[in-house]
Amino acid sequence: DIQMTQSPSTLSASVGDRVTITCRASQSIGTWLAWYQQKPGKAPKILIYMASNLESGVPSRFSGSGSGTEFTLTISSLQPDDFATYYCQQHYTYWTFGQGTKVEIK
Amino acid sequence: QVQLQESGPGLVKPSETLSLTCSVSGDSINNYYWSWVRQSPGKGLEWIGYIHYTGSTSYNPSLKSRATISVDTSKNQFSLKLSSVTAADTAVYYCARPKNAETSAPVVHWGQGSLVTVSS
Repeated sequence: DIQMTQSPSTLSASVGDRVTITCRASQSIGTWLAWYQQKPGKAPKILIYMASNLESGVPSRFSGSGSGTEFTLTISSLQPDDFATYYCQQHYTYWTFGQGTKVEIK
Repeated sequence: QVQLQESGPGLVKPSETLSLTCSVSGDSINNYYWSWVRQSPGKGLEWIGYIHYTGSTSYNPSLKSRATISVDTSKNQFSLKLSSVTAADTAVYYCARPKNAETSAPVVHWGQGSLVTVSS
């Protein structure tokens, strides 16, 4: 099984901050990586697929990068609507998700 | 607009079988691979398995053959059965559709989620 590890688990930030979340895969997955945002009581919402492709309708302040085993999600200027939990997911072999990173208000 | 809706009992007794159905609207089930994903506080998001309208399936090996996914094309629905449940199977269960017709495509459509509690 491919394991996905995110860091940090929790991140405290302020509106306007640049935020970076890291995701590491236990083996190379090329660029078969997606990022999701989830708010309490809601299903996850896709932000990025194939490591760096922005899903339609997602604000351009979100960006993704990386390949192989190390990936990052960056929010260039954190907005009030962005306080949520973020998950990475490998979609190379079936689906495996990271454990999540909660972005909270500092 | 694609919509997925889970339905089924919210409470299941230990050792019994959990059964959920996902009704798909705004899209034909005769496309894509349709999946079940669950989310619990202890294990986070976990892919359970998928089914193609032809009946082809694949499952997460960690479920040790307890999961069975079936499809009813006449009703535009697919279903999940999970046998021999324990408290560890308590979770929110989501049905999901990927971005395209590839088995490995990421999820773009989710149901609203169905909380299933395993308890006597």
